[in-house]
Amino acid sequence: DAGVTQSPTHLIKTRGQQVTLRCSPKSGHDTVSWYQQALGQGPQFIFQYYEEEERQRGNFPDRFSGHQFPNYSSELNVNALLLGDSALYLCASSLAVGQGPREQYFGPGTRLTVT
Amino acid sequence: AQTVTQSQPEMSVQEAETVTLSCTYDTSESNYYLFWYKQPPSRQMILVIRQEAYKQQNATENRFSVNFQKAAKSFSLKISDSQLGDTAMYFCAFLFESTDKLIFGTGTRLQVFP
Repeated sequence: DAGVTQSPTHLIKTRGQQVTLRCSPKSGHDTVSWYQQALGQGPQFIFQYYEEEERQRGNFPDRFSGHQFPNYSSELNVNALLLGDSALYLCASSLAVGQGPREQYFGPGTRLTVT
Repeated sequence: AQTVTQSQPEMSVQEAETVTLSCTYDTSESNYYLFWYKQPPSRQMILVIRQEAYKQQNATENRFSVNFQKAAKSFSLKISDSQLGDTAMYFCAFLFESTDKLIFGTGTRLQVFP
């Protein structure tokens, strides 16, 4: 049973650049959520995708955008990178509300460093 | 405001002993779920245990159990027979049925020593 996978593992970018992170959900899951985890803190919710649409969003600027594909995989895009965007980006997958247990399974994360 | 508080930044325990990690939360919602996640140095966030707020019975998963006090909005994690592999950051989190997003605490760093 394939778990949640993310790529790349590590990424180094320069301020002002753009970055794309990728996530494949756990087999059987159709909902993908993205979280940002700054060093020494708990993860913060960025947004969630279901049926290829952004279903809800946390308190993040429009520089953060995403996409979900028909196979349920997802991308997180960040434009105009700032030093403060340096963090671990976690993807979590789950079943849609009403379709199963309310629990989210996480991938290994992508460590983004902005210089 | 919907918040999760973990008041113990760091804890340590000797192998084979029992340790309890504390968590309190604040919400006015009635339908929610509570979780403990473990994040070892490898960074992978691993689901340890889940509790539905509507269930009075405390959840148990092998060596891990919770003490859920809904009126007090308290959700502590007890680890019995601690093992070296339990060394990790532990995060308490909750999720509302209405929003389906996890809200995390700041974590407790647990060190298990021989």
